[in-house]
Amino acid sequence: KQEVTQIPAALSVPEGENLVLNCSFTDSAIYNLQWFRQDPGKGLTSLLLIQSSQREQTSGRLNASLDKSSGRSTLYIAASQPGDSATYLCAVGGATNKLIFGTGTLLAVQP
Amino acid sequence: DTGVSQDPRHKITKRGQNVTFRCDPISEHNRLYWYRQTLGQGPEFLTYFQNEAQLEKSRLLSDRFSAERPKGSFSTLEIQRTEQGDSAMYLCASSRLGDRSYEQYFGPGTRLTVT
Repeated sequence: KQEVTQIPAALSVPEGENLVLNCSFTDSAIYNLQWFRQDPGKGLTSLLLIQSSQREQTSGRLNASLDKSSGRSTLYIAASQPGDSATYLCAVGGATNKLIFGTGTLLAVQP
Repeated sequence: DTGVSQDPRHKITKRGQNVTFRCDPISEHNRLYWYRQTLGQGPEFLTYFQNEAQLEKSRLLSDRFSAERPKGSFSTLEIQRTEQGDSAMYLCASSRLGDRSYEQYFGPGTRLTVT
């Protein structure tokens, strides 16, 4: 059974700092991995998707990497801003593409 | 492309009542998913459709829950005889079969509170 873990559960950083969020999964037979952002009481916004054959994806200040063999992904956020404050969720997709989510990392960027 | 929409956004109901939620996927997206998210947790898969066929259901989907997707367009999720444990955010997502990335796009969710 696939299990997804995210560390840390919560993180508080000063504005401008670079940071890394971690995601690990137990079954390496995945089709893709998605990183999402969720603001309080809202739905999910897709940030980056990495297909199983890829190693990383970049969008603006965000960079996500994938190491399938070790069951790990990282989301790197450069030059953090208060507007980046949210919960960040990692999810892996399998053969049927249903997503298995971690419990998220709650990020607070202090101005 | 107007994105995935869900209705209603919020629903408060008394225990024992039936409720129905609606999801409209992105047009031409033939896969549609339902997830449930409780406070402090990540979303959990409930069920998914490919066109009008319901292909997989989670064990979380008890016999009080039923989902439909008539004509492969919008979908409804009905909960009968609601219980306080059903209080959660219900999220809908869609994706396009044939899109190699299989990227899922989520709606804003329906927040259910059972009193």
